[in-house]
Amino acid sequence: EAQVTQNPRYLITVTGKKLTVTCSQNMNHEYMSWYRQDPGLGLRQIYYSMNVEVTDKGDVPEGYKVSRKEKRNFPLILESPSPNQTSLYFCASSLAGVSYEQYFGPGTRLTVT
Amino acid sequence: GESVGLHLPTLSVQEGDNSIINCAYSNSASDYFIWYKQESGKGPQFIIDIRSNMDKRQGQRVTVLLNKTVKHLSLQIAATQPGDSAVYFCADTLPNTGNQFYFGTGTSLTVIP
Repeated sequence: EAQVTQNPRYLITVTGKKLTVTCSQNMNHEYMSWYRQDPGLGLRQIYYSMNVEVTDKGDVPEGYKVSRKEKRNFPLILESPSPNQTSLYFCASSLAGVSYEQYFGPGTRLTVT
Repeated sequence: GESVGLHLPTLSVQEGDNSIINCAYSNSASDYFIWYKQESGKGPQFIIDIRSNMDKRQGQRVTVLLNKTVKHLSLQIAATQPGDSAVYFCADTLPNTGNQFYFGTGTSLTVIP
């Protein structure tokens, strides 16, 4: 089944403790992206990647890192999480960038205390 | 920059009626527009897209209308069904921004049986 998977689905952590949210797609998509969703603010793009070893900042990249070493994986790294990074995070992928529909993962609910 | 906003945060319609969800964008250079549907507890799901060189595009029970003069986008859902109850987002992109997406805050559609 074609899908985007994220792990973990739920995470509660403390300020400053490094964490990684994994994202994987099985559709051989070139484009992958991370979003955060907050009430009243909608979806905001954090980082995106056009292909392996190519990543770019979105609207809200501060406090986040990403890497794209393999085509299928696009992990989101929070080196020192803070409470303002408490949010619902979505990973998405598409065949080739903006011209194709994005497939979203199920979301990761992150709480930083 | 770019901002995208939806006109109504909530919308209720009777089952069988047509629904219209409206969206406004700020940057006249926006060249690609997408509508997503998000059901509770799930990631956004692509519905339909339209490029700036078109005024109208139709899918199955959905139609997207683009009015570039007033920078307005609408999603029409014909014969709305209970399964259409969800939050609907519009999003757009700008040329030469490297595949960055800008999302609206969403309209919550409730279908009354």
